[in-house]
Amino acid sequence: GEDVEQSLFLSVREGDSSVINCTYTDSSSTYLYWYKQEPGAGLQLLTYIFSNMDMKQDQRLTVLLNKKDKHLSLRIADTQTGDSAIYFCAESSLNSGGYQKVTFGTGTKLQVIP
Amino acid sequence: GAVVSQHPSRVICKSGTSVKIECRSLDFQATTMFWYRQFPKQSLMLMATSNEGSKATYEQGVEKDKFLINHASLTLSTLTVTSAHPEDSSFYICSARENRGVNYGYTFGSGTRLTVV
Repeated sequence: GEDVEQSLFLSVREGDSSVINCTYTDSSSTYLYWYKQEPGAGLQLLTYIFSNMDMKQDQRLTVLLNKKDKHLSLRIADTQTGDSAIYFCAESSLNSGGYQKVTFGTGTKLQVIP
Repeated sequence: GAVVSQHPSRVICKSGTSVKIECRSLDFQATTMFWYRQFPKQSLMLMATSNEGSKATYEQGVEKDKFLINHASLTLSTLTVTSAHPEDSSFYICSARENRGVNYGYTFGSGTRLTVV
């Protein structure tokens, strides 16, 4: 079945850029997402990208998609302590029955060191 | 790797009936599982935290009698939507976290699309 993989942990210094990587296996993905989960909170949708796009930028966030390699990354510029959280990569596609199927990665815990 | 199986993937039910959604951790034990709901083009919303052997912890605004959660074993949690209404139509996702050492990974099920007609 479909698989989405992420590294479990990333540590960066405040002010540096963070890059969180994700790989997926489903070649029919239509959307790819990045979610943020702060301690004790639910998942918050940060951004998403259509599968026919290469890049999307939103303020400090830059999403890069290499569809050929099935590789998605999230770059956070000028990382702040408030960015410390778990970041989930997810991909969605339409199943043969025509309904949405979403597969999430296991999450990358980002630790920002002051 | 860790796998969470969620069933059914899609269900259509009549208004007033109840629907049960299962969430199973296939190759690990999970004392805690989470149930989320996602509205179209919105973030996943945490509904409740399911604790094995005890009552679930519900988020503010989530009706306990409406969304019954049972976590009877270390590998199974169920969400029952009782007396479903069209406004309950949504995408429901469960997740579980492995109970081993320092592990920050949350594994998600593939979701259940509920349509109430």
